[in-house]
Amino acid sequence: EVQLVESGGGLVQPGRSLRLSCAASGFSVDDYAMHWVRQAPGKGLEWVSGITWNSGSTAYADSVKGRFTISRDNAKNSLYLQMNSLRAEDTAFYYCTKMGPRGYNPHYFDYWGQGTLVIVSS
Amino acid sequence: QSALTQPRSVSGSPGQSVTISCTGTSSDVGGYNYVSWYQQHPGKAPKLMIYDVSKRPSGVPDRFSGSKSGNTASLTISGLQAEDEADYYCCSYAGSYFWVFGGGTKLTVL
Repeated sequence: EVQLVESGGGLVQPGRSLRLSCAASGFSVDDYAMHWVRQAPGKGLEWVSGITWNSGSTAYADSVKGRFTISRDNAKNSLYLQMNSLRAEDTAFYYCTKMGPRGYNPHYFDYWGQGTLVIVSS
Repeated sequence: QSALTQPRSVSGSPGQSVTISCTGTSSDVGGYNYVSWYQQHPGKAPKLMIYDVSKRPSGVPDRFSGSKSGNTASLTISGLQAEDEADYYCCSYAGSYFWVFGGGTKLTVL
């Protein structure tokens, strides 16, 4: 069974940093592109960042570019999001999500974790 | 990277059909056949319902269907059931390894 479990969320002051982790099980992450999607409380989904299966390419939403860094450790079957210079508007649930099978040139998110809540406040 | 436009809410009675629209531009919805739809119940993670405009993942009822015309994609749910009441989000590939979501539509089953 595919499972994605996020961790690392919490309350952090503006300007500080936080690192989110996503532990995958039931599949090998090195076969899939992985992404982070966030959702502010009571608001809609926002794509944050993605990384290809071999870390060859990464991309970021304009709202986080230059502050967030996505990475992966295929040996640990894990995905990460380093978040620096946090702002109040980064407050959200952060979901780890995987793309469909690499061989099918996927452009959709087929499995999602339950999310971890990040609150940026003084 | 502007969000795709969805109606804030739609409603229908059990057994009826509803359609949720998702309007973008030629740089996202209109430029690629990579529109996906997600269902989200309160307090739960999103669930993939439709991908590549009109394909259904295994396990998703065939009451759910997707289509696209120009810069607008649509999700149609036929034979509405109480458990279909949820928020629905469209998502489109926007090129250069970017994705954009719609603002979400709340479906109420009357």
